[in-house]
Amino acid sequence: QFVLTQPPSVSGAPGQRVTISCTGSGSNIGTNFDVHWYQQIPGTVPKLLIYGNTNRPSGVPDRFSGSKSGTSASLAITGLQAEDEADYYCQSYVYSLSGSVFGGGTKLTVL
Amino acid sequence: QVHLQQWGTGLLKPSETLSLKCAGSRGSFSPHSWSWIRQPPGKGLEWIGENTQGGHTSHNPSLRSRVITSIDTTGNQFSLTLTSVTAADTALYFCARRMQYYFDWWGQGTPVTVSS
Repeated sequence: QFVLTQPPSVSGAPGQRVTISCTGSGSNIGTNFDVHWYQQIPGTVPKLLIYGNTNRPSGVPDRFSGSKSGTSASLAITGLQAEDEADYYCQSYVYSLSGSVFGGGTKLTVL
Repeated sequence: QVHLQQWGTGLLKPSETLSLKCAGSRGSFSPHSWSWIRQPPGKGLEWIGENTQGGHTSHNPSLRSRVITSIDTTGNQFSLTLTSVTAADTALYFCARRMQYYFDWWGQGTPVTVSS
């Protein structure tokens, strides 16, 4: 079973910092494959937020940052804004599957 | 900028076959890999399968017996066929371009409902 586990929800007040964790098994994150993050505002298409554990595509604010250590990865959002309210998904590649697996998603609520 | 356009059958009865296509803008198809991903209502993302330009195909084990994906590089199109659908296949279906091991461009999504 290939699983990436995320908390169902996190919340924070405007201006605060929040983190979202993504914990995987050794068959995915632990095998040197990178973790990627997507933001999905309700009713819209998922948007690539972080790739290769720590890299931001052009246009993504530097308030968003990613990290990875061992079989866990994290997405950090600083200076929380109302527009950050969305669902966030981590994703990694599973070598033995020759395919990808997504975390269950985390709903971020800006209080 | 990569533009992906999806189309296909949106309403199916149980046991029917789902068929979706995805076309990319000129120059966007090669040499990348292409995946289908779905999202049931109110739920998370599920990877369905992919095709690489090199001819390799892989599918989610939970769907493998019912899924066919193919790529037409000459027509810049990518297709999904899912047989014997049930209500559990009701979802928003996305095509996406895989860059290395992440998805950088997504189609607009095609809602599919399976209902008798």
